Parts: sequence; structure tokens; C-alpha cells
Amino acid sequence: GAGVSQSPSNKVTEKGKDVELRCDPISGHTALYWYRQSLGQGLEFLIYFQGNSAPDKSGLPSDRFSAERTGGSVSTLTIQRTQQEDSAVYLCASSSMGLDGLAGYEQYFGPGTRLTVT
Amino acid sequence: GQNIDQPTEMTATEGAIVQINCTYQTSGFNGLFWYQQHAGEAPTFLSYNVLDGLEEKGRFSSFLSRSKGYSYLLLKELQMKDSASYLCAVKAGGSYIPTFGRGTSLIVHP
Repeated sequence: GAGVSQSPSNKVTEKGKDVELRCDPISGHTALYWYRQSLGQGLEFLIYFQGNSAPDKSGLPSDRFSAERTGGSVSTLTIQRTQQEDSAVYLCASSSMGLDGLAGYEQYFGPGTRLTVT
Repeated sequence: GQNIDQPTEMTATEGAIVQINCTYQTSGFNGLFWYQQHAGEAPTFLSYNVLDGLEEKGRFSSFLSRSKGYSYLLLKELQMKDSASYLCAVKAGGSYIPTFGRGTSLIVHP
């Protein structure tokens, strides 16, 4: 079956421009996460969506970052007035909510969007 | 908050065994993940440990000691394709958001 997809795969933008990154999670997965990963760094949590609940935005680094998830499926991460420090790979992941508390709700990651701000 | 430590880099020989350690400090531990990430690719799930002990999956095994805040990933019969970054991630406090370590870059040489 189809996995998590993200678009675009690469994005080069000029400092100060806005960008939109898209994530299509696995069908039926209620949980969706955005992370970013800089070279040699771990995954930095950005935002988490779960069903119809209010998203957990605690990882967003500034108010230039926002995300939405329409219809409980596709999500868009928007970065306004991009800065050079925003350059990173932005990863989206989805997971299902198992009934077994030991399930762990493993995350399935998309291929990422490599954002370069010049 | 959570503090997760892994070695930055390890090297090993094809056919050998390697152990990648992860230590963590957290309150309300729920579980620990291991993910594999090849260069330029997305992380893929390897294991999830909730209870103490060793869980084996083919060539890969993962161990957890909750009292020591310690886990390791054991890779046997190393193959060149095992060269990748291995990420340790911890869930705690009932959160559905795991915190990731910086990852351990494993280089397997002939």
C-alpha cells in the first residue's frame, strides 16, 4: 500500500519568501507529526495532530511556522518569511492509534522535503 | 524534559556484531523506539521496548533496562547495507510524541 508522501522533495527559496510543504499520511492514520532534521542533528519535533483534537504546537520554533490538517488527512506546513536557519529536511510521519497500550504507535515517515533558504 | 544520549559514530567490520547504546533521563517513561535511517532517506521503525529485557527480531535485537535508563540495539552478522544512522527515541509522561536522540552513525567496512 501507499506510504507517507511529501511534496516537494526539494525546495530552494530566497530569504524572506513563504513556503508550503505538503504531507499525505497513510490512509486511516489518525496521528500526524512534523519534524525537521538539520545536518548531523536528531529529529526536532514541530507539531502533532491527532484526529479532531487541537494540535500540539509546542515544538514550533517561532510564529513564522504554522500547520494545518484538512479533513483529518493531508497536512500543510507553512513557513513565512523564511530565514537561512530554516534550511533543513522537513519530515512528516503518521501513525495509527492501536488499542493495545504496548503497541507503541510506531511512526511511518515520509521521504522528507529538503528546504534550502538562500 | 528528556535527555537522550547516544554515541555519535561507530565503525564495525562486515560479519561482526555491534552494540549501539542509548541512555536516557526522563520521568514517566512509557517506551523506547529504535529507528534506522539511511543517508538521504526517511527513518524506518526497528523496535519498540516497553518492558525490561531483550527482544529479538532476526539479526537485530533491542534491550531495555528501565531502572538504569538504558537501552541498546544489537546488530549481528553485519552487512554493508547496515551502514546507517540509528535513532533512539523515548516516549514519556503519556505523550504520543517521542523525543529523538541525535542518532548514531554506523559505518560497516569490509
